[in-house]
Amino acid sequence: GENVEQHPSTLSVQEGDSAVIKCTYSDSASNYFPWYKQELGKRPQLIIDIRSNVGEKKDQRIAVTLNKTAKHFSLHITETQPEDSAVYFCAASSQTGKLIFGQGTTLQVKP
Amino acid sequence: DTGVSQDPRHKITKRGQNVTFRCDPISEHNRLYWYRQTLGQGPEFLTYFQNEAQLEKSRLLSDRFSAERPKGSFSTLEIQRTEQGDSAMYLCASSPSSYEQYFGPGTRLTVT
Repeated sequence: GENVEQHPSTLSVQEGDSAVIKCTYSDSASNYFPWYKQELGKRPQLIIDIRSNVGEKKDQRIAVTLNKTAKHFSLHITETQPEDSAVYFCAASSQTGKLIFGQGTTLQVKP
Repeated sequence: DTGVSQDPRHKITKRGQNVTFRCDPISEHNRLYWYRQTLGQGPEFLTYFQNEAQLEKSRLLSDRFSAERPKGSFSTLEIQRTEQGDSAMYLCASSPSSYEQYFGPGTRLTVT
């Protein structure tokens, strides 16, 4: 069935360092891969996404890469700041738009 | 506020009672999704609508759950005969296409 695996489950970095979160999906029909940031008690916020016809996308300090052959995609955050601390979820979807989420990564950025 | 809104934000109910939640999507979005999120987990898909048509339902959506989007605008999710295992955050998201989804603040349900 459809499945998205996300690693690591927790990640602690020093302010200014980079953070990388990786996801693997199972459904080869998946064509859209968004990343959400969720702060405690808040709604998931779309921070960046990538479609299957693109290998990499960057928006200021965040970037996402996609390897369709290996069914891997990753989130890269550079120059981390304390306000980047949150839970990050990857997801994958196909034509219906139904999102299958990973288990989440709790990122802690230490000042 | 032109974002997705949900009502109520919190609901406490006794086991066996029925509850209904409402979602108001972003006005020009024709797709509306319902998800359920439990503590420490990612959201799980429940069902989705394109305009007023309910096009897919998860196996998670038992017979006690029903959703409607009567005029292709707001949607309601009803849970009948609530169980303690129904306690979760119920999230609604809307989208103009099969891509970007924007979430509402959620309705936190507690079944006692």
